[in-house]
This record gives sequence, structure tokens and C-alpha cells, in this order.
Amino acid sequence: SDVLTQPPSVSVAPGKTAKITCEEYKIGSRSVHWYQQKPGQAPVVVIHSDSDRPSGIPERFSGSNSGDTATLTISGVEAGDEADYYCLVWHTSDQLGVVFGGGTKLTVL
Amino acid sequence: QVQLRESGPGLLKPSQTLSLTCTVSGGSIRGGTYFWYWIRQPAGRGLEWIGRVYNSGGTDYNPSLSSRVTISLVSSENQFSLKLNTVTATDTAVYYCARGDYYALFDSWGQGIQVTVSS
Repeated sequence: SDVLTQPPSVSVAPGKTAKITCEEYKIGSRSVHWYQQKPGQAPVVVIHSDSDRPSGIPERFSGSNSGDTATLTISGVEAGDEADYYCLVWHTSDQLGVVFGGGTKLTVL
Repeated sequence: QVQLRESGPGLLKPSQTLSLTCTVSGGSIRGGTYFWYWIRQPAGRGLEWIGRVYNSGGTDYNPSLSSRVTISLVSSENQFSLKLNTVTATDTAVYYCARGDYYALFDSWGQGIQVTVSS
């Protein structure tokens, strides 16, 4: 996506903290969702509305959104967290509609 | 627990029309305040929003696809459909249907269907 910019890849050792960013001008004024996608599976929401965690998602997952950057933080990373992560924003004002970030491949070393 | 399932042809030739159906079970497509979405993903690439339909029949489309896309409800069958005209190889992807709210918070997805465009 040209609108929502994510790093293509992030690598982290087990037990450490991973931070995945999603950048867009004034993204802090929008509501951001984060989706996790494992190979061959449909995406699953891990954080919605910037920082809310759905039931069933571990407390290790958290989110923040301010200024031009939204961040998904995964604390105490586990091997099972290895996946692609996508941020998503609904653009109400400029008629872009639903916009996905380009995705970040999280690798657990 | 609502479930969604995509169906339709898996192989098309260039210039043909892609037609997919999403069958919803465990809930009415007209009930609640849900939007019904189509999303696609080319192999090894990211997710792309195609469009959505509301339970009133109103629609929103990705501006980059809007000239070729039609999404509609088939209420009698508790389904919604996707039509994409004049396909090319760049439309080859896994196509997902999903249920979500206005802000694209998806709570249910289909398993996805592979559509290949090739001569």
C-alpha cells in the first residue's frame, strides 16, 4: 500500500519484544486494526480500534496510535507468533475506503 | 457462530467476468448492522480490499477497482456476490468474503477461494 507503510520484515528472538509499525500522515486521527495471518489461513484480528484486544488474544499483544505512526507490540514473543501482520484503516474522508498496509513478516529467530 | 463460504469458478480466461458467491450460515445477511466484504490476496502478496455491501444493499468499492466491480446481496439465498469484469492475469488471487462492521473490523471470514486467470 502506498498509503499505509509497514516494514516488510521484523525479526525477534523468542521471549523478546517485537514492534511493528504502520505509518501514514495523521494516522493518529484514525482507528487502526491489526490482523495476523498465518500461511494458508484467513486473517485474524489481534488488535482493533488502536489498542483493544479481542477476547482470546493473549495480553502479550498490544497496540498504540499517535501522530503519524500506529504500533503493534508483541511482548514475550513465541514461535507461534510467526506470521504476517497487516494494519488496516477505514478512510472516511478521502474516499479511499478500506486500506490495508503492505504487511510485515514477523520471523521468530 | 456465523460461517461464510466462497464458491465459484477457479479458472477464467482473460477478458471474462469473475463471478463469486459467498454463502452465509448461522445468521441472516439482512440482520444486524453488518457489512459484507470481499477481499483478495495474490500469491505471496498483501491483502487488497475489493468492496462491501450493507444489509440495505448499499455498496462501497475500492476506487482502483470500482469501474469493474459489482457486489450485491442475494437475500433469498442468504448470500452475497462479487462480479469483476474484464479480468486479466493480475486478478489472479485468493478471494475471501468476510463479515465486518463499518470500520472494517472483521469477525468472520470464509476460507478463501483461489481464482486463476490464464489463457
